[in-house]
Amino acid sequence: AQSVTQPDIHITVSEGASLELRCNYSYGATPYLFWYVQSPGQGLQLLLKYFSGDTLVQGIKGFEAEFKRSQSSFNLRKPSVHWSDAAEYFCAVGSYSGNTPLVFGKGTRLSVIA
Amino acid sequence: EPEVTQTPSHQVTQMGQEVILRCVPISNHLYFYWYRQILGQKVEFLVSFYNNEISEKSEIFDDQFSVERPDGSNFTLKIRSTKLEDSAMYFCASNGQGVRETQYFGPGTRLLVL
Repeated sequence: AQSVTQPDIHITVSEGASLELRCNYSYGATPYLFWYVQSPGQGLQLLLKYFSGDTLVQGIKGFEAEFKRSQSSFNLRKPSVHWSDAAEYFCAVGSYSGNTPLVFGKGTRLSVIA
Repeated sequence: EPEVTQTPSHQVTQMGQEVILRCVPISNHLYFYWYRQILGQKVEFLVSFYNNEISEKSEIFDDQFSVERPDGSNFTLKIRSTKLEDSAMYFCASNGQGVRETQYFGPGTRLLVL
């Protein structure tokens, strides 16, 4: 069965510090991987996606993610966190062929302190 | 930049009442989805829709739910007789036709059933 695990429910980092949010997936076919961000009361905004090619992908707002097939992971990183990055982050997996439902992880809530 | 829109942003209803949630997908998209997110939980797939029919649905999408594309722009989710446990944020998403299409999400409708 398809699944996404985000092991960290809540992470707190200092502004300016680096960030890594973990995501592990289980998917029977070639995965199509996403990170979405949800600010309080808002919808889901796509940060970045990966389907093939370079395993390090760049997204918006200075985020990047690295796909590691051997570890079934797709961790999200940012070298220097800003207070505005405080939000809920969701990892999701879909079919490489597209047009199929996404399976989401439970999310990681990021808090940023001064 | 085109975006998915949803109305209303918030809806409060009494248990047993019917509600219709509305979505306007991105205009040239052909695949449409509804997801829901119960407070504090992960985003869950409800149903996908293509070519004027349901293409896939989850176990959550029982006989109380229905979807419709009444015209060329709107995509609706109807809950016939709401239950307390239907209280959630409902997201509409759409993507174009082709492989590796990204699903774009609307801002959501927060439904509260009393």
